[in-house]
Amino acid sequence: AQSVTQLDSQVPVFEEAPVELRCNYSSSVSVYLFWYVQYPNQGLQLLLKYLSGSTLVKGINGFEAEFNKSQTSFHLRKPSVHISDTAEYFCAVIHTGTASKLTFGTGTRLQVTL
Amino acid sequence: EAGVAQSPRYKIIEKRQSVAFWCNPISGHATLYWYQQILGQGPKLLIQFQNNGVVDDSQLPKDRFSAERLKGVDSTLKIQPAKLEDSAVYLCASRGQGLYEQYFGPGTRLTVT
Repeated sequence: AQSVTQLDSQVPVFEEAPVELRCNYSSSVSVYLFWYVQYPNQGLQLLLKYLSGSTLVKGINGFEAEFNKSQTSFHLRKPSVHISDTAEYFCAVIHTGTASKLTFGTGTRLQVTL
Repeated sequence: EAGVAQSPRYKIIEKRQSVAFWCNPISGHATLYWYQQILGQGPKLLIQFQNNGVVDDSQLPKDRFSAERLKGVDSTLKIQPAKLEDSAVYLCASRGQGLYEQYFGPGTRLTVT
């Protein structure tokens, strides 16, 4: 069985500061990994994905994530956040055998303040 | 390209009433998903369709929830009768052939009183 752990339920940060949102997964086989963002009263928007290849993945809005197989992690980073980045961020995993069942973490609330 | 459409956006009902949600996926996307997102949690898969067939409904509470996708395009999710614990956001998502990423609609926020 696969599961996703987001270690921080809330991350407060000042504008223009760097941020890292942590995600760890457990799976006995290879996985595909995703980060989604959810703004208030909206659906989920795909930020970035890792399917194969380079372990450093760049996404939209200046976000990037690094796949670390040995540590089973896929942490999300941004070097300088903006007020508009305030949202809920979800890490998710697909078991490559099923190729479609997405399992989500519980989410991390990023709160950016001046 | 139009995204995933859902309606209504908000719904308030009393317990034991029935409710239905509608979803129109991205054109050409054969796979459609319904998720339940309870406040403070990640989305949980309720049912997955491939065209008009059910692929996975293992987490759908079948005594009160039902879903259909008769023509392989639009889908409806129904709850009858609703319970207080059904209060959540119901998200619809679709996926294209050969792709792994899912595209989500804006969701329907259901409040059961």
